[in-house]
Amino acid sequence: DGGITQSPKYLFRKEGQNVTLSCEQNLNHDAMYWYRQDPGQGLRLIYYSQIVNDFQKGDIAEGYSVSREKKESFPLTVTSAQKNPTAFYLCASSAPTGPQPQHFGDGTRLSIL
Amino acid sequence: QKEVEQDPGPLSVPEGAIVSLNCTYSNSAFQYFMWYRQYSRKGPELLMYTYSSGNKEDGRFTAQVDKSSKYISLFIRDSQPSDSATYLCAMGSSNTGKLIFGQGTTLQVKP
Repeated sequence: DGGITQSPKYLFRKEGQNVTLSCEQNLNHDAMYWYRQDPGQGLRLIYYSQIVNDFQKGDIAEGYSVSREKKESFPLTVTSAQKNPTAFYLCASSAPTGPQPQHFGDGTRLSIL
Repeated sequence: QKEVEQDPGPLSVPEGAIVSLNCTYSNSAFQYFMWYRQYSRKGPELLMYTYSSGNKEDGRFTAQVDKSSKYISLFIRDSQPSDSATYLCAMGSSNTGKLIFGQGTTLQVKP
């Protein structure tokens, strides 16, 4: 079945450690997105990519990095510079940007040890 | 002022009730509007997508958009316990391609 796969489902980070969240899609979508979800705050955009080898910062990019080497993959690294990383991270994809709905994975919950 | 405002609830209704979920927005450039449903520990799933003012119906769900008032609604008829979830409105414009989400409204439908 076509969809978006995020892994792992749960992740724990030690102080000073970088961690990478995986996002893979087989929908043949050009655009991919990373969001952070905190209780009562909806979804906030971290980074997005419209095509391979190109990406743009969203509203809360500080402390995060991404790469887009393949169309189907858009990993997110939470660096040690992100001082409050505990959150639910959601990856999404859509057909070329514009009035297209985004389809989401089932998220990764990141916590600090 | 946030671009999109949504009452976070929680909203609790008896089974069979009609539910109304609402969002207001301030950016007149928004052209397309969506409603997502999110179950606990899951990603949001698209419920409704509309690109114009007026009503769009899909089974028990009706999405309503009033661009002149910058107001959108989602109505759920004959609500079921399985409708218990968080509902997120989202909207965007074709010139950016990004979506702006509301905070989400948590709904509980009691049997």
